[in-house]
Order: sequence, then C-alpha cells, then structure tokens
Amino acid sequence: AQKVTQAQTEISVVEKEDVTLDCVYETRDTTYYLFWYKQPPSGELVFLIRRNSFDEQNEISGRYSWNFQKSTSSFNFTITASQVVDSAVYFCALSEARESNAGNMLTFGGGTRLMVKP
Amino acid sequence: EAQVTQNPRYLITVTGKKLTVTCSQNMNHEYMSWYRQDPGLGLRQIYYSMNVEVTDKGDVPEGYKVSRKEKRNFPLILESPSPNQTSLYFCASSLYNTLNQPQHFGDGTRLSIL
Repeated sequence: AQKVTQAQTEISVVEKEDVTLDCVYETRDTTYYLFWYKQPPSGELVFLIRRNSFDEQNEISGRYSWNFQKSTSSFNFTITASQVVDSAVYFCALSEARESNAGNMLTFGGGTRLMVKP
Repeated sequence: EAQVTQNPRYLITVTGKKLTVTCSQNMNHEYMSWYRQDPGLGLRQIYYSMNVEVTDKGDVPEGYKVSRKEKRNFPLILESPSPNQTSLYFCASSLYNTLNQPQHFGDGTRLSIL
C-alpha cells in the first residue's frame, strides 16, 4: 500500500469553482508532519503548507484552506474560487522517521494535476 | 538569494555515456537529497546526505552514485545511464534532517536517455 495516496490523478474545473484535492496517508508514528507542494507548468516545486500531527486545526490562507483529520488519516486541500493561475500539479507529502532510525524521510503522493479553465 | 542550483536543466544523451548532474546550495544546509519524478509516482528519493561525507541510499538508488565532499555540493552521477533513468530530477536541501523542515528544491533537471 502506498504511504501517501492522492486518488485524483487529474481534475478539471472552470474558473471560480471550488475544488478539493484529497490526500490520504499511512504511518505507524504518532509524531509526523504533512506537507503540500505546488508544481506549476514551469516545473519548480513550491512549498505551500506544513502541518504537524498534533495540530488538527484547519488552516486558511487566502483562497487556500487545509483540512487535517487524524481519524481518517487525511489532509485535504481546498482552493476556493479557483483561478487559471492555480493550474499545476499538487503534491501531498508525509515526513516521518525512517524504520532504520537513520533520520527522517519525506514520502510524496503521486500528485494531482489541476487544470482550471477560463 | 537563497537557492538550490542544478545543472544542467535539460540533457539528452545516449545509453552508457557517463553523466553528472551538479547540485549546489548557498544556505549552509546540512541535509541534501536527490529525487526523481515520474508520472503517477510522485517524487521518489534516490540518495540523501545528512552531512559532509555521510550519504545513504533512498528508495530508488540503483544505477546512481553521489558524493558529498563539501557541504554545499551534492552531485548525482549516472555511471552508465539507461533509458529507464529518463526522468525529471530534483535536488533538495534543508538545514537539518528534522521532521518539520520543508525542503528547498532546485528547479529540476530533465534527463532523456536514448
């Protein structure tokens, strides 16, 4: 089983629609962090948000919001009133300790390609 | 400007011809890492380095080598590239290898092995 699952491979919406990108993770640890990164068409990876496993408060940043639910091991990302500039691939990632105890590791989901049409 | 710099950005080469992708960071970060990105698989870690002269295998190390002789540089070496190594590669760094540190990524290197 994948450690980080982004079941939506591609989503297409029309501008101004709200859209939610799903992320489900799997870990044996009680202390971990979750991240979202954005990869626009230019290819670079842009850090969006970090959330630790003890903080289940939802977070809002402008049109972006994140819903973290430990009970369902999910960390979903919602864009309100989407814009064409939101078109990108979005990655969810899990930071946890390595089983070998040799440091920590960051595991990425497969990504969701979001296309926002005018 | 704080950044991770990779070179080259694009490379088309042939099977078996050794190549090196350079990575340099100017943030005095201890932790550096290489990932490859393939459709539907996200980013997978190839190798990582906790500090100078300390490197270890990630999830997909086969066919790759790395070295960390200086803190700022972490080159990725493909001794005998094969077509299955055609991919988009990212170098990343963070101050330390702690759970909460977001990694800073380079702009990526697109390799095509014919």
